[in-house]
Amino acid sequence: QKEVEQNSGPLSVPEGAIASLNCTYSDRGSQSFFWYRQYSGKSPELIMSIYSNGDKEDGRFTAQLNKASQYVSLLIRDSQPSDSATYLCAVSVNTGFQKLVFGTGTRLLVSP
Amino acid sequence: GAVVSQHPSWVICKSGTSVKIECRSLDFQATTMFWYRQFPKQSLMLMATSNEGSKATYEQGVEKDKFLINHASLTLSTLTVTSAHPEDSSFYICTTRTGGREQYFGPGTRLTVT
Repeated sequence: QKEVEQNSGPLSVPEGAIASLNCTYSDRGSQSFFWYRQYSGKSPELIMSIYSNGDKEDGRFTAQLNKASQYVSLLIRDSQPSDSATYLCAVSVNTGFQKLVFGTGTRLLVSP
Repeated sequence: GAVVSQHPSWVICKSGTSVKIECRSLDFQATTMFWYRQFPKQSLMLMATSNEGSKATYEQGVEKDKFLINHASLTLSTLTVTSAHPEDSSFYICTTRTGGREQYFGPGTRLTVT
């Protein structure tokens, strides 16, 4: 069983729409959750972190966490073609170094 | 966020040779750095955790004698791929944590072994 699961996509949305990206995880002890954006051929870039249940908003991005359901999501409002990328969900594993386990990523395509 | 650099950004080497990749934290002192590997169209896989002044902690299935990690200072960790083979061709990325929970990625090093 994969520790972090994401739909590989592609998820296609028109410009201006809301893109909804989902992630489930298996380790109930996980405390930290992250969304990274990765453009093709580039290194991932941290866009959101969330640690407690509920919503966290930062500009056009909203992260949602439900620990009971072991589910974390990312909403992108007013999607832009520049948002087209692969979005990686990462979950901390409860070890001394707080290492991260990554999902396989969801590819988002925003059409003009 | 933290600023992390890697060198080189890409490297081509012949099978059987060794390659060293450097990871530097530019604006803070990092006691812990992480090394990941990403094959095409796959996700990131943690290879090892690099600790300043002590031996690295390797993930299961990663050969510590093949992937040598040295974290000799608070700003520099190196990954040496010894006796590289074509199957080692990948995107190698280091990350570091500032003391909070977030990890910040270096720009990555693309290794091609011919």
